[in-house]
Amino acid sequence: TAGITQAPTSQILAAGRSMTLRCTQDMRHNAMYWYRQDLGLGLRLIHYSNTAGTTGKGEVPDGYSVSRANTDDFPLTLASAVPSQTSVYFCASSPQPGTGENEQYFGPGTRLTVT
Amino acid sequence: QKEVEQNSGPLSVPEGAIASLNCTYSDRGSQSFFWYRQYSGKSPELIMSIYSNGDKEDGRFTAQLNKASQYVSLLIRDSQPSDSATYLCAVQRGDSSYKLIFGSGTRLLVRP
Repeated sequence: TAGITQAPTSQILAAGRSMTLRCTQDMRHNAMYWYRQDLGLGLRLIHYSNTAGTTGKGEVPDGYSVSRANTDDFPLTLASAVPSQTSVYFCASSPQPGTGENEQYFGPGTRLTVT
Repeated sequence: QKEVEQNSGPLSVPEGAIASLNCTYSDRGSQSFFWYRQYSGKSPELIMSIYSNGDKEDGRFTAQLNKASQYVSLLIRDSQPSDSATYLCAVQRGDSSYKLIFGSGTRLLVRP
């Protein structure tokens, strides 16, 4: 199975432009997550969704928005990119939050450079 | 104080040795703990999960959890050069958010 796919693999974006990072999972997991990973700062949660139709804010949500129209897709949108959003973005999913088995599985990542 | 703390390393061990990676956390309500391996330029890969005190073994990997001490560790037996990577400790918050909080990772180098 494909698991989690992300697109694009990498992107260079001019400051002020908008962009949507795509994430699709085929595991029928209820929960999905967006993280950014920066050197020295580790993985930080941007937004999450515990089930289709609901979303929540993570540690660093400013400048990002998400939607969860269905189980499989969880796009992340940067409305007006700034250089500080240069990072590697990972999408993840987990079967069922709040249960004893809620391991998160990660997609391959999107490397974004904002110039 | 960070919620999840790891020594950044690098931890250097010879091939065939036991590598011991440690992690402490601050949320006493946490019930779920995970270890991820991340190769340079790649995404985190789940290698172990542990939910109760004690040891959990899977092949060459053993996860150890001590909730009283708020401490979780990962032992890698018979370390191989292919184990060289950054190991991330992740702790699920004990509140209703179910969020994972990641440590900044320990870089492991296995010398041939």
